[in-house]
Amino acid sequence: SQKIEQNSEALNIQEGKTATLTCNYTNYSPAYLQWYRQDPGRGPVFLLLIRENEKEKRKERLKVTFDTTLKQSLFHITASQPADSATYLCALGVLTGGGNKLTFGTGTQLKVEL
Amino acid sequence: KAGVTQTPRYLIKTRGQQVTLSCSPISGHRSVSWYQQTPGQGLQFLFEYFSETQRNKGNFPGRFSGRQFSNSRSEMNVSTLELGDSALYLCASRKGGSNEKLFFGSGTQLSVL
Repeated sequence: SQKIEQNSEALNIQEGKTATLTCNYTNYSPAYLQWYRQDPGRGPVFLLLIRENEKEKRKERLKVTFDTTLKQSLFHITASQPADSATYLCALGVLTGGGNKLTFGTGTQLKVEL
Repeated sequence: KAGVTQTPRYLIKTRGQQVTLSCSPISGHRSVSWYQQTPGQGLQFLFEYFSETQRNKGNFPGRFSGRQFSNSRSEMNVSTLELGDSALYLCASRKGGSNEKLFFGSGTQLSVL
């Protein structure tokens, strides 16, 4: 069966450290992968997109890697700040006959402590 | 530019009733997707509409239906509500091309008693 797995336990790190979140998938052949941030009571907000033929993408303090052999994406936040505390969702994009369908993981809660 | 607007923000219904949720996408966006979010299951895809046509559908029972109007606004309907339908329902829009990011609304929190 198809699965998208993210760390179910919350990730607690100290301010200034690098946070690394994992997204593993099985029985998917994604054309691309996206990462979103979600704060309590709000809808997810897009952060980064990486395509299947790309290994790495960066945006300011964020970095995403995509390994289609390992079927894994890693999401890094460098020099983390308390304001980075949120739930982070990965989403796999699969091309279908009717367009493309985005399927989300369950998310990892990140807490950055002072 | 206004974001994705969902109404109502909160809704309380009883089992057996039906409910209609509304979503206004960002101006110029022709694709609207609906997701159900619960603590245990995360974000589950319901369906996507593009130019008034449903082009993708998730694995939900026929009690869940939707439609899109010519101005791209969308509605989602759930009939014969069950306790398990209690969730945050999120609407997201995008222009309609592939790979594009989704812009989400703040959702409608539905409680079924």
